[in-house]
Amino acid sequence: AQSVAQPEDQVNVAEGNPLTVKCTYSVSGNPYLFWYVQYPNRGLQFLLKYITGDNLVKGSYGFEAEFNKSQTSFHLKKPSALVSDSALYFCAVRGQTGANNLFFGTGTRLTVIP
Amino acid sequence: DAGVIQSPRHEVTEMGQEVTLRCKPISGHNSLFWYRQTMMRGLELLIYFNNNVPIDDSGMPEDRFSAKMPNASFSTLKIQPSEPRDSAVYFCASSLMGNSQETQYFGPGTRLLVL
Repeated sequence: AQSVAQPEDQVNVAEGNPLTVKCTYSVSGNPYLFWYVQYPNRGLQFLLKYITGDNLVKGSYGFEAEFNKSQTSFHLKKPSALVSDSALYFCAVRGQTGANNLFFGTGTRLTVIP
Repeated sequence: DAGVIQSPRHEVTEMGQEVTLRCKPISGHNSLFWYRQTMMRGLELLIYFNNNVPIDDSGMPEDRFSAKMPNASFSTLKIQPSEPRDSAVYFCASSLMGNSQETQYFGPGTRLLVL
């Protein structure tokens, strides 16, 4: 069965410092992996995805994620955090081959401290 | 494009009443998803449709919940009768199935409070 795990409920980082939000996955077959962000009282917004190709995927708002097959990880990163990056971040994996539903992680709340 | 449209944005109702949530997916998308988000349970997939056909409704909590998609541009999620534990934010999302275009785009959500 497909699943993702976000081991950290909360991540705090100082403004200007690099940030990492962790995600590991479990899939049968090739993984389709996604990151979404949710700001307060808003729906989820797509940030980036990995389907195939380069292991480093670049997305919106300066975010990027690194796909690591050997470690089954897909960590979200940004070189320099902004206060406005404070939000809830979700990692997701597509369902089994032939299905197009997504399985979401439990979310990580990122707080960027001024 | 207007994105995924949900209505109402907020709903307050009393226990036992019927609640209907509405969703208009992005034009041209052929998959539609209903999610529920609560602090306790996080984000849960309730049901999804491909080409207006329900594919997986295993996430629907119980028979009080039902969803329909009569055409490609409209879907409803109905709760009858509603209970306080149904209080949550309900999201609709749509995507274009196939060709690796699996990205789901979410609506703003309906915040439901059942008293």
